[in-house]
Amino acid sequence: GAVVSQHPSWVICKSGTSVKIECRSLDFQATTMFWYRQFPKQSLMLMATSNEGSKATYEQGVEKDKFLINHASLTLSTLTVTSAHPEDSSFYICSIPKDGGGADTQYFGPGTRLTVL
Amino acid sequence: EDQVTQSPEALRLQEGESSSLNCSYTVSGLRGLFWYRQDPGKGPEFLFTLYSAGEEKEKERLKATLTKKESFLHITAPKPEDSATYLCAVRRLGGTYKYIFGTGTRLKVLA
Repeated sequence: GAVVSQHPSWVICKSGTSVKIECRSLDFQATTMFWYRQFPKQSLMLMATSNEGSKATYEQGVEKDKFLINHASLTLSTLTVTSAHPEDSSFYICSIPKDGGGADTQYFGPGTRLTVL
Repeated sequence: EDQVTQSPEALRLQEGESSSLNCSYTVSGLRGLFWYRQDPGKGPEFLFTLYSAGEEKEKERLKATLTKKESFLHITAPKPEDSATYLCAVRRLGGTYKYIFGTGTRLKVLA
């Protein structure tokens, strides 16, 4: 498998502030990482694909200027929620694909709970 | 359009009562089908990857099977600690890493 960490595990912020979430690969180098968002009792929705050394690829409907992604190194990707509003409150999870036999299994981090007041 | 549907949405079992969760998929060429377990407030935990119809994989009380249209996650003699949401996802052939997730089955095992 792969060991993935996220920081912070939870954060509460005021409306209008920016919040940075880190995703780290602890046991191998990852050229690609994924960022998901999950609302209560719903499944994971892919937000963007983070690529080391190049721009992130955003899914349709995700504002790239609001959700800034920086893949700073082969072990770190960050998601910054800019000018956060209450509707951005959600559970944010990153994942890293690792080839376990050909289909690139994704290993997920523990998630970050964001609450915007 | 690629799609993944899981059923039932929720399932309550008595401890020891075996059952199966279903994941039906429609995808233009399957590269892999994945099962995950997710506990409340945590990220999904990888369980199995299945690649082709007829393949089966087992881990403790769980067994995953795959056909050309669906996958089953069989839970034998479940225990309360098996309570979680079980997610199914597919990755289709092609250059993208993207997963298409189902909405999950919330399993509750009663002691």
